This record gives sequence, structure tokens and C-alpha cells, in this order.
Amino acid sequence: KAGVTQTPRYLIKTRGQQVTLSCSPISGHRSVSWYQQTPGQGLQFLFEYFSETQRNKGNFPGRFSGRQFSNSRSEMNVSTLELGDSALYLCASSLEVGTGYNEQFFGPGTRLTVL
Amino acid sequence: AQSVTQLGSHVSVSEGALVLLRCNYSSSVPPYLFWYVQYPNQGLQLLLKYTSAATLVKGINGFEAEFKKSETSFHLTKPSAHMSDAAEYFCAVSRNSGNTPLVFGKGTRLSVIA
Repeated sequence: KAGVTQTPRYLIKTRGQQVTLSCSPISGHRSVSWYQQTPGQGLQFLFEYFSETQRNKGNFPGRFSGRQFSNSRSEMNVSTLELGDSALYLCASSLEVGTGYNEQFFGPGTRLTVL
Repeated sequence: AQSVTQLGSHVSVSEGALVLLRCNYSSSVPPYLFWYVQYPNQGLQLLLKYTSAATLVKGINGFEAEFKKSETSFHLTKPSAHMSDAAEYFCAVSRNSGNTPLVFGKGTRLSVIA
């Protein structure tokens, strides 16, 4: 079974531009979460989508948004890019079989560099 | 609110020596606890997890961790380090339910010296 895939793997943008990152979860997984990883702040939760609805949201400005499609694929968008948005963006998917523990499987990430 | 503190941003051990990476957590509710490993230019791989079953948890690659509620700790150990263990290790906590986000520690970089 294929793992979580993220595209593109590397991206270079300039300040003020916007960017869209894509995540394809493991087949059958319905939950997709996004995390930002920076050297200064570490790993921080952005948001989580389940059945096309945002179920949880982290403490990020409104410039960060996301969505999930009916096939569970997810995109996140960052508008008006700032230098501080340079980071590794990680996507994770989980199966959601019940109310107990649902393991999150991480993709390789998209490395975004803002110049 | 939940939080995780990893003591030591960088740990260096000799090949064959004991690996001990420290993690303390704060949680107002029973937690789930995790250790992840990240190799350069890769995502996170789950090493092991505590989900309120046995307090001594065994994971992949010979790693294990013990949940100690009285000490609010979940330290990661491996009896004998291998060169391939060199990576970044993250401790994480979530609430005791399936769909809550992970809160990560700052990470500990493990170096293994030949």
C-alpha cells in the first residue's frame, strides 16, 4: 500500500506570493492533518480535516487555509507569503476506525523556501 | 493544555553505548504518548506509542520507553546504539482520544560516534 504522498517536495517562492501544497493520504484514510516544522518553533499543528470538514485548527493566522476533497486528498494554501513561512510542511493521514487511538502516518513533507 | 519537554537538544553516544533520550509531559487528562524519528529529508516515523495499556512499551529498531505517571516522564532507551540510529527524535503527546492533534517536543538530535 502506498504511503502518504506530498507534492511538490520542494518549492521556492517570493514574499507576497501564495502557494498551494498537496497531500494524498494512504488509501482508505479519511483524516488528514497538517504540521509546520521550523528550526525555531519546531513542529506545530496547523489543521485537520475529516470527511471534507475542518475538525481541528491550530493557532496560525488566516493566511493559512486548507481543504479536503471527497477522495480525502487535501490541499493547504498560504497567501501573502512571509519569510517566516519558510518551513517543512508535513501531512499526516489516519484511518479513523473508532474513538480510540488512530495512528497518524506522515508523508515526506514539502520544503517551502520564501525569498 | 498539553506540552512536552525534551531535555537536551543534542545527545552524542558511542556506538554500542546506551541511548537515553528524555521526555517529560504535561497533560490535564490521561495522555497518549509517542516517540517519532526523523531522518534527513524525510517525514516522521513512529517508533513507539503509549495508549494506556502496558507502561513499558517496546517499539521498532530495539527502542523502548516507560510511562511513569508519578514522574510525568516517557524516556526513550536503547541498550546499544548503532550508527543507523543517528537522527532527530521527537516526543509527542495527545489527549486520550483518537482525533486530537499531536503536540511535539522540540526534538533531540542523536549522534552516534564510531
